[in-house]
Amino acid sequence: NAGVTQTPKFQVLKTGQSMTLQCAQDMNHEYMSWYRQDPGMGLRLIHYSVGAGITDQGEVPNGYNVSRSTTEDFPLRLLSAAPSQTSVYFCASSRYSGTGGRETQYFGPGTRLLVL
Amino acid sequence: GDSVTQMEGPVTLSEEAFLTINCTYTATGYPSLFWYVQYPGEGLQLLLKATKADDKGSNKGFEATYRKETTSFHLEKGSVQVSDSAVYFCALSPPYFQGAQKLVFGQGTRLTINP
Repeated sequence: NAGVTQTPKFQVLKTGQSMTLQCAQDMNHEYMSWYRQDPGMGLRLIHYSVGAGITDQGEVPNGYNVSRSTTEDFPLRLLSAAPSQTSVYFCASSRYSGTGGRETQYFGPGTRLLVL
Repeated sequence: GDSVTQMEGPVTLSEEAFLTINCTYTATGYPSLFWYVQYPGEGLQLLLKATKADDKGSNKGFEATYRKETTSFHLEKGSVQVSDSAVYFCALSPPYFQGAQKLVFGQGTRLTINP
């Protein structure tokens, strides 16, 4: 049981380039989400999904796209990278129980992104 | 909107010292509350949680009590070890998201324990 996996671990991009951050989980969790972590700001929610084919925006969605074609995978796409997107990105998953947010989220190891 | 405020760090203690990391929150209704820990180079791991007022979460010697009257969820440990050195995040999950979980995090507190 690998849990939540993310690739790559580290990436350097030039301004304007695009890329996809991969996230996969093997726990059959319905709920998946992406956060970014910036110094002194904790983690902020980018996008989330409550199941295959269903996605929604979080707190800081601009410049990012997501899709959810399978239960296991939830890729995050940067359409045109900007220096402001330099950050550490975490993917997370949890059960979706309808109990108002009480489920534990499981986080991946993160992707460190540097945009020059 | 919903928010979490944590004690500013970094915090440096000697081994076997008593630890308190303060956490207060602002939220509508009755959120669930969490402490997550991030060890160097790793992702976040759930340390403990509480889902209703007066609940006490505990794990690995750490404890936190959900105090609705003071909107607080302070993390405590009676005797810290070098291996507790990490960044600790307090977070809440609003109840109105109907099963979807939108974690709102504090800024994190870096803890260093010296032998």
